[in-house]
Amino acid sequence: AQKVTQAQTEISVVEKEDVTLDCVYETRDTTYYLFWYKQPPSGELVFLIRRNSFDEQNEISGRYSWNFQKSTSSFNFTITASQVVDSAVYFCALSGSGSARQLTFGSGTQLTVLP
Amino acid sequence: SAVISQKPSRDICQRGTSLTIQCQVDSQVTMMFWYRQQPGQSLTLIATANQGSEATYESGFVIDKFPISRPNLTFSTLTVSNMSPEDSSIYLCSAGGTSRYNEQFFGPGTRLTVL
Repeated sequence: AQKVTQAQTEISVVEKEDVTLDCVYETRDTTYYLFWYKQPPSGELVFLIRRNSFDEQNEISGRYSWNFQKSTSSFNFTITASQVVDSAVYFCALSGSGSARQLTFGSGTQLTVLP
Repeated sequence: SAVISQKPSRDICQRGTSLTIQCQVDSQVTMMFWYRQQPGQSLTLIATANQGSEATYESGFVIDKFPISRPNLTFSTLTVSNMSPEDSSIYLCSAGGTSRYNEQFFGPGTRLTVL
C-alpha cells in the first residue's frame, strides 16, 4: 500500500520568509512518481512538479525548489521569499508504476503568508 | 498538457436527488480518474474510468452510488446518486497517460452542496 504523510497541517509565515513543506512517503514500488500540487482558495488543483524515483536531482524553478531524498523517503518543497499569493493548500502525492497510475495524496499543508 | 473542463462548476441539490458531473478533455487520454475532496480534507480516489468497460472502484465506493461512464477517450461522467448531506464535496476529474512522464492534470472541480 502507498502512503503519503504531510505532518504540517498549517504553516504561517510573514512575507519574504522562506518556508519548507515536508512530505514523507511509503511505497513498495521500485519505480514511482512524486508530485506537488497547489490548491488556492478558488479550489482548482495546480500541478507544480513531478519527480520520478530514479531521478534524485533536486530541482529549482524560480522561487520554488524541491529536495528529493530517497534514503529518507522524503520529497520536501521550499518556497523562497514567500509572497501573499503563495497562500494555499499544498498537496504532495505519489503514484506507482502500474498501468492505473492513480494518485495517493497526503493530507495537505495550509500555508498562509501574511503581509 | 491536457486541458480539462467540468460541468457544472457548482450545484446545490436536495437530499435524495442525483447529479451527473461531466468531464471533457481537450485531447485523447488513456486514463481518467474521479476524486472526491470533502470539506477541509485531502483528495480521495473514487474510481478509474475505463473506456469501453466498467469503472474500477476504490474501497468504500460502489457503482450504485457513483455510476461512471466513459464512452470515449475524451469524456467521462460521474453521477452522485441518492444524495445526502455527507456527499457535499468537491468532485474532481483528472486525466493522464501512461507515458514515462506520468502527468496528471485536474479539472477545476465541481462544488456540490446537498441540503
